Amino acid sequence: GQQLNQSPQSMFIQEGEDVSMNCTSSSIFNTWLWYKQDPGEGPVLLIALYKAGELTSNGRLTAQFGITRKDSFLNISASIPSDVGIYFCAGRRGTSYGKLTFGQGTILTVHP
Amino acid sequence: DVKVTQSSRYLVKRTGEKVFLECVQDMDHENMFWYRQDPGLGLRLIYFSYDVKMKEKGDIPEGYSVSREKKERFSLILESASTNQTSMYLCASSSTVKGEAFFGQGTRLTVV
Repeated sequence: GQQLNQSPQSMFIQEGEDVSMNCTSSSIFNTWLWYKQDPGEGPVLLIALYKAGELTSNGRLTAQFGITRKDSFLNISASIPSDVGIYFCAGRRGTSYGKLTFGQGTILTVHP
Repeated sequence: DVKVTQSSRYLVKRTGEKVFLECVQDMDHENMFWYRQDPGLGLRLIYFSYDVKMKEKGDIPEGYSVSREKKERFSLILESASTNQTSMYLCASSSTVKGEAFFGQGTRLTVV
């Protein structure tokens, strides 16, 4: 099945740094979602985006729904050690019974 | 608080056994999904269901079946477990209107 192009695949950063990751697709999506997965746990929804150009924040996290509807971005400001984990993007088309297409994930490591 | 509950966190089964993974959601969601997650392969959709007794194959349905007799419950069945089905299994649910998927905590299955 199709997957979204998510980059970077991994990041090693110092505590306090800002982080940016993105997802791109050749197809248009009506919804973009960002998840975080801690080791051994299920993904947890961080941010949901429903309109092209929408910019939404959740604490230190900010995500944007690209104007072309083919991409989305997630930024984490002032990273802390508990930000460690895998971040996934997911997109949903309009007529897919809620089926999501996922990116491969970005593995984030934060050094204290 | 939304909740998707998987019946087991860890399972160890023998090759050839019939295995049942159960998932229950309390959000009255129409859609339910089963994914498996393997290192380097991301989240792969096995089956999904958009209504009671309805099911659709995902990207990797071979060796699996599903059952949805009640709206809140979606079961994944491994008819004859094999070692290549050792994986992390994730259940999720979503509403057709919003599309945000909520995941369970995952079941790590080992087939020996």
